[in-house]
Amino acid sequence: DTEVTQTPKHLVMGMTNKKSLKCEQHMGHRAMYWYKQKAKKPPELMFVYSYEKLSINESVPSRFSPECPNSSLLNLHLHALQPEDSALYLCASSQNNRGEQYFGPGTRLTVT
Amino acid sequence: QKEVEQDPGPLSVPEGAIVSLNCTYSNSAFQYFMWYRQYSRKGPELLMYTYSSGNKEDGRFTAQVDKSSKYISLFIRDSQPSDSATYLCALNYGGATNKLIFGTGTLLAVQP
Repeated sequence: DTEVTQTPKHLVMGMTNKKSLKCEQHMGHRAMYWYKQKAKKPPELMFVYSYEKLSINESVPSRFSPECPNSSLLNLHLHALQPEDSALYLCASSQNNRGEQYFGPGTRLTVT
Repeated sequence: QKEVEQDPGPLSVPEGAIVSLNCTYSNSAFQYFMWYRQYSRKGPELLMYTYSSGNKEDGRFTAQVDKSSKYISLFIRDSQPSDSATYLCALNYGGATNKLIFGTGTLLAVQP
């Protein structure tokens, strides 16, 4: 089973709202990732968690706050977003020392 | 110079054609090579993964890596309308961080 699940599928939020995106995998992977993807562009890496510790933050604004409660779960907390943050947010996971990453279906976020 | 170059297309072929998708890269330190398929408004799906020069076949798909030329290819035989999607190459230096470097993606349309 190579499934990564993400909730919600769609999210509309105002600029003053606080919301969270959730990601789950049960493949025993020890690395998890958040990506942002704009239309007609490849995914852009935001954060990497390795063994539940944040190992990479690609200079993401603080209005995005990741959290890894355990090895199967990854959250992305959103606060005071801007309309330009509207995008498809993708979660992925991998074995820590292997190259391939498995992506979830994404959460389509619209900021109004 | 970008680390990974990929022709964005679009590429339009008739059903049953052989499709060739290509990426070039600049750094010989890349160790892992992947192809993802992404349907509109969905998450990327891992199609092929390899870490060595040569060919790897899976059904109608063949991935080819030429490390000496820094060139990777994905061939699709007997293309079907359901193959219509964006194809992304992704390369990885390996190691604990497992950071994917994506090509821009090639949009493929298979005409019935």
